Amino acid sequence: NAGVTQTPKFQVLKTGQSMTLQCAQDMNHNSMYWYRQDPGMGLRLIYYSASEGTTDKGEVPNGYNVSRLNKREFSLRLESAAPSQTSVYFCASSEWGLPQFFGPGTRLTVL
Amino acid sequence: RKEVEQDPGPFNVPEGATVAFNCTYSNSASQSFFWYRQDCRKEPKLLMSVYSSGNEDGRFTAQLNRASQYISLLIRDSKLSDSATYLCVVNGQGTSYGKLTFGQGTILTVHP
Repeated sequence: NAGVTQTPKFQVLKTGQSMTLQCAQDMNHNSMYWYRQDPGMGLRLIYYSASEGTTDKGEVPNGYNVSRLNKREFSLRLESAAPSQTSVYFCASSEWGLPQFFGPGTRLTVL
Repeated sequence: RKEVEQDPGPFNVPEGATVAFNCTYSNSASQSFFWYRQDCRKEPKLLMSVYSSGNEDGRFTAQLNRASQYISLLIRDSKLSDSATYLCVVNGQGTSYGKLTFGQGTILTVHP
């Protein structure tokens, strides 16, 4: 039982490049989330998926897209990376709404 | 005013000490409150929910004061392993857990 897994763990991009952050959970949870964490700020919700087939914007969705591929997987895509998207990205999942389990994070640097 | 505010600390306490953190929130309609802990360069982990009547989990006690709009976390008999950042989390929009607001965290360091 791996819990919530994220790939990659680290990534460096140049401005304008695109990439997809992958997230998977093996706990059969309905809800999944993507957060970003920046120094001196709390975690901010980018997008969430209350259940398979649904996605909703969070507090900071601009510049991102998501796909709830199936119940297990929830990916986050940066179409054209910008330096302001340098951050640590956390995926989370839960059975009943509150993000209970977080993945280990992806540290992204955009040059 | 920020929706959720925490004293960033750091709080430096010796082993065995009792330490308390407060967290204030601005939305009086907030209904759900939680504490998470986050170790350095790790993911956040849910520590405990905060109930209106207050609740305890071992050495940890969480309290809610709706009149003054703050929640608190009390740690008794601090251990070295309690060293972490403690995140206050508030649900300010009814029961939609997708709209949680995280505080920036309070850093606790417990020293021998």
